[in-house]
Amino acid sequence: GDSVTQMEGPVTLSEEACLTINCTYTATGYPSLFWYVQYPGEGLQLLLKATKADDKGSNKGFEATYRKETTSFHLEKGSVQVSDSAVYFCALSGRAGGTSYGKLTFGQGTILTVHP
Amino acid sequence: EAGVTQSPTHLIKTRGQQATLRCSPISGHTSVYWYQQALGLGLQFLLWYDEGEERNRGNFPPRFSGRQFPNYSSELNVNALELEDSALYLCASTKLDEQFFGPGTRLTVL
Repeated sequence: GDSVTQMEGPVTLSEEACLTINCTYTATGYPSLFWYVQYPGEGLQLLLKATKADDKGSNKGFEATYRKETTSFHLEKGSVQVSDSAVYFCALSGRAGGTSYGKLTFGQGTILTVHP
Repeated sequence: EAGVTQSPTHLIKTRGQQATLRCSPISGHTSVYWYQQALGLGLQFLLWYDEGEERNRGNFPPRFSGRQFPNYSSELNVNALELEDSALYLCASTKLDEQFFGPGTRLTVL
């Protein structure tokens, strides 16, 4: 079945440091890939997505590229801020022939803490 | 545009009782998904409803059930509550491949 393996945390960085959170996946067909963020006490928010190989998703300075050859979707940001402190989830939505399977399969989540 | 709403925000029950959680999707969205976020276990898919029908089910026992109403809102029922059912239950509605999540219901089983 589908699975997502996410870099385990927690990750602690100083403000303006570079961030990389690794994510690899196993899926049949051609999944869509997502990064969700969960701020303290809140639900999940979509951060970015990519729907096909070599697509780059980007939002709020975060980027991730869909790499089919390495089955990866690593999250990167060049300069983190204190406000980026949150839990980050990598996820996939399996598809076959263009039909969405519907459910999201999530990685374990990575807690990011950014200090001033 | 109003987002996905869930009620109640918090729910406290004792072992053996039943819990009912509610979700209203974004207007125009016909699919509702339920996920369980238990401490240390990440997010696990529970149920998917679309156009009033159950389309897919995660690896959960039958005491987890639900339904979707004609207005596309949904209800999740958990019978015979166990301590390990304590978790944040998230509901999401979908537009194409994107799922939009509600704030969740925190269920505590004592």
